[in-house]
Amino acid sequence: GIQVEQSPPDLILQEGANSTLRCNFSDSVNNLQWFHQNPWGQLINLFYIPSGTKQNGRLSATTVATERYSLLYISSSQTTDSGVYFCAVPRGSGGGADGLTFGKGTHLIIQP
Amino acid sequence: GAVVSQHPSRVICKSGTSVKIECRSLDFQATTMFWYRQFPKQSLMLMATSNEGSKATYEQGVEKDKFLINHASLTLSTLTVTSAHPEDSSFYICSARRAGYGELFFGEGSRLTVL
Repeated sequence: GIQVEQSPPDLILQEGANSTLRCNFSDSVNNLQWFHQNPWGQLINLFYIPSGTKQNGRLSATTVATERYSLLYISSSQTTDSGVYFCAVPRGSGGGADGLTFGKGTHLIIQP
Repeated sequence: GAVVSQHPSRVICKSGTSVKIECRSLDFQATTMFWYRQFPKQSLMLMATSNEGSKATYEQGVEKDKFLINHASLTLSTLTVTSAHPEDSSFYICSARRAGYGELFFGEGSRLTVL
């Protein structure tokens, strides 16, 4: 099956700093999602981004499908950004009909 | 839109009992729902896929007689952990997908502790 690798595994930053999280995947995909798992365990949808660039406030994401990677940018970090960030891609060719394969996540800690 | 709700969020039960977790899509019809399991500090692992009105498809290594999944309507799927044991303690998360859409949405998760 498709492999998803995320880096870095852990990241500790001061409030106000910027960061870039990376997601590499082993095969071509027709969609990709980024999630933030908060301290209570809930997965928050950040981006649904098969290709191109999207922005939502201080967060933006870019997927280069031909090179099999995606990047999540967080600017002006706040303590509430702390948590685990996952990227996930479809398990099969059905675009999500078979569920998602998750990377191991990046554990982000923003210190005040 | 696209809200998925799980209940209960936390449950503690005695070994040998059964526990049911509900997953509801509140504002859309979910033709497919997925159940994931997450151990502490690990990623999410798919357990099974359920389609409305048909039997669930289980991933390799997941005991279908222990983890009973029912998808009786387009807005509700249930996971029943039967004869629970301490090793079944985990965080269970459901997700739902609308027909024709690629994006998946997740519930809040249910933390099961078996004593």
